[in-house]
Amino acid sequence: AQSVTQPDIHITVSEGASLELRCNYSYGATPYLFWYVQSPGQGLQLLLKYFSGDTLVQGIKGFEAEFKRSQSSFNLRKPSVHWSDAAEYFCVRFSSGSARQLTFGSGTQLTVLP
Amino acid sequence: NAGVTQTPKFQVLKTGQSMTLQCAQDMNHNSMYWYRQDPGMGLRLIYYSASEGTTDKGEVPNGYNVSRLNKREFSLRLESAAPSQTSVYFCASSELAGSEQYFGPGTRLTVT
Repeated sequence: AQSVTQPDIHITVSEGASLELRCNYSYGATPYLFWYVQSPGQGLQLLLKYFSGDTLVQGIKGFEAEFKRSQSSFNLRKPSVHWSDAAEYFCVRFSSGSARQLTFGSGTQLTVLP
Repeated sequence: NAGVTQTPKFQVLKTGQSMTLQCAQDMNHNSMYWYRQDPGMGLRLIYYSASEGTTDKGEVPNGYNVSRLNKREFSLRLESAAPSQTSVYFCASSELAGSEQYFGPGTRLTVT
């Protein structure tokens, strides 16, 4: 079955430091990939998406992600983290087979230190 | 433009009770979804409706039923609640299956 792996359950960074959240997807045709963010007690908000084309995609709030087919990865990056970025981040894949469903990674909780 | 709305925000049920979670979207989207979120497991799809008049099972459909009432509304029913259904439930919608999904604020359900 197609899957999404986020290897880091929890990451802590200092405010102003750079950030990279890892995401790997399992074997399959070129996937549709998304990153969502969930602030405490809130629903999920789309940060960015990759369908095809340029492998470096820009999103909201200064985030970007790079699709690397050779590594089956879609890592999320931000050059300088703000305290308001503390949240849970989900890497998500759309399965284009018969199920046509989103598959969520288990999430990475980001803590930002002042 | 409210996006995706869900009611209620919180609910406590006793084992065996029934209830319906309501979801509505005002974006004229074709597809709607119900997820549950449990700690450490991300979101898991319960049921979805690719278009008005159709519904399909997702990853964890047991114990739930859904109704796509019209293009705007998609409800989730628990006929006989169990403690294992304690979770946060999210409704989402998308223009088409595969396009980005927009999420509601969630319903926190506790079954005692």
